[in-house]
Amino acid sequence: EAGVAQSPRYKIIEKRQSVAFWCNPISGHATLYWYQQILGQGPKLLIQFQNNGVVDDSQLPKDRFSAERLKGVDSTLKIQPAKLEDSAVYLCASSLGVKVYEQYFGPGTRLTVT
Amino acid sequence: AQSVTQLGSHVSVSEGALVLLRCNYSSSVPPYLFWYVQYPNQGLQLLLKYTTGATLVKGINGFEAEFKKSETSFHLTKPSAHMSDAAEYFCAVTSTGTASKLTFGTGTRLQVTL
Repeated sequence: EAGVAQSPRYKIIEKRQSVAFWCNPISGHATLYWYQQILGQGPKLLIQFQNNGVVDDSQLPKDRFSAERLKGVDSTLKIQPAKLEDSAVYLCASSLGVKVYEQYFGPGTRLTVT
Repeated sequence: AQSVTQLGSHVSVSEGALVLLRCNYSSSVPPYLFWYVQYPNQGLQLLLKYTTGATLVKGINGFEAEFKKSETSFHLTKPSAHMSDAAEYFCAVTSTGTASKLTFGTGTRLQVTL
């Protein structure tokens, strides 16, 4: 069974530029999560989707971050414009559903903002 | 609100020695508890989880953890460390009322020396 796929693996941009990350969850997983992991910290949930609807986006900085999950499968996370403090690893995870607690993580995208 | 505290950001043990990584949680409702491992440049992999039932939980790679409600703890142990155990370990908590939203600790980096 294929795991959670993410691309790109690494991205370097200048502040005020925009960037997008892509995630393909495990087949059949209805719930998809985006986490931000700043160096030296644990992952922090940014947004959670159930199929193509948003369950929780309370910690998503909506003035610059956006995410979508069209057709309830793949998802894209966008940052526009980027700030230096957005430098982090962005992890995507998926699970069978909101009541199934085992989450499977992708390898992450390491973003460096200069 | 839920929270996790991991005591010790760095732990160093000799190969063959006991591994003990500490995790304390705070939750107003019965918690579900997890330990994840993260190898360099990789995503998080589930080691073990406690939901209900037996309080001593066995996971992959010889790790186990015990849920102690009276101490609000979920410490991770392994009787004999191996070089391949060197990684970052994260404790996380969720509950039935949070739609599987995981709250992570700040992580403990385990170093294994010869």
